[in-house]
Amino acid sequence: SQTIHQWPATLVQPVGSPLSLECTVEGTSNPNLYWYRQAAGRGLQLLFYSVGIGQISSEVPQNLSASRPQDRQFILSSKKLLLSDSGFYLCAWNIATRGIQYFGAGTRLSVL
Amino acid sequence: QKEVEQNSGPLSVPEGAIASLNCTYSDRVSQSFFWYRQYSGKSPELIMSIYSNGDKEDGRFTAQLNKASQYVSLLIRDSQPSDSATYLCAPILISNFGNEKLTFGTGTRLTIIP
Repeated sequence: SQTIHQWPATLVQPVGSPLSLECTVEGTSNPNLYWYRQAAGRGLQLLFYSVGIGQISSEVPQNLSASRPQDRQFILSSKKLLLSDSGFYLCAWNIATRGIQYFGAGTRLSVL
Repeated sequence: QKEVEQNSGPLSVPEGAIASLNCTYSDRVSQSFFWYRQYSGKSPELIMSIYSNGDKEDGRFTAQLNKASQYVSLLIRDSQPSDSATYLCAPILISNFGNEKLTFGTGTRLTIIP
């Protein structure tokens, strides 16, 4: 069966510090991968998605970036965090773009 | 107009009653519709999917889809305290560029009162 791992579960970072969040999927090949952010009390905002290694599409321009160095690995990064980057970051995967998306446990990021 | 609209709630329903959650979406073609449940502090989990007009039942959950009215709903029968969560409506919408995108509503917070 397929599983998705996301870490760390919680993170507290100072403003201006770098960020690296990692997501890996097991049990499937060539998944579509997604990064979402959910601000407190708000809906899910799609940040990036990837249909293959090295293929990244950005939905919202901001100081975040994403990379997919391996088939089942998706990384969210920032060089300098802003206060507004605080939120709940979720990684998700599916096989077909119109298929069900399955979410990881999420990372709660607090930028202070 | 938002692409996906839900009543944010909170919606309070007595235990054992039927909870009715509604969702409307923009006029873009969509073939797939999903309902996710999100407990506080947790990630969303899929509870229902529906692809054609009409009703689809799964246990205590029934999804209803009306593409002509651009409306999808979720009914929860015999509501339990464990159903207290935020429910996210998520149709797959077709963008202006022809891309398919799972688009989430902001969610309806449901509270089941014992």
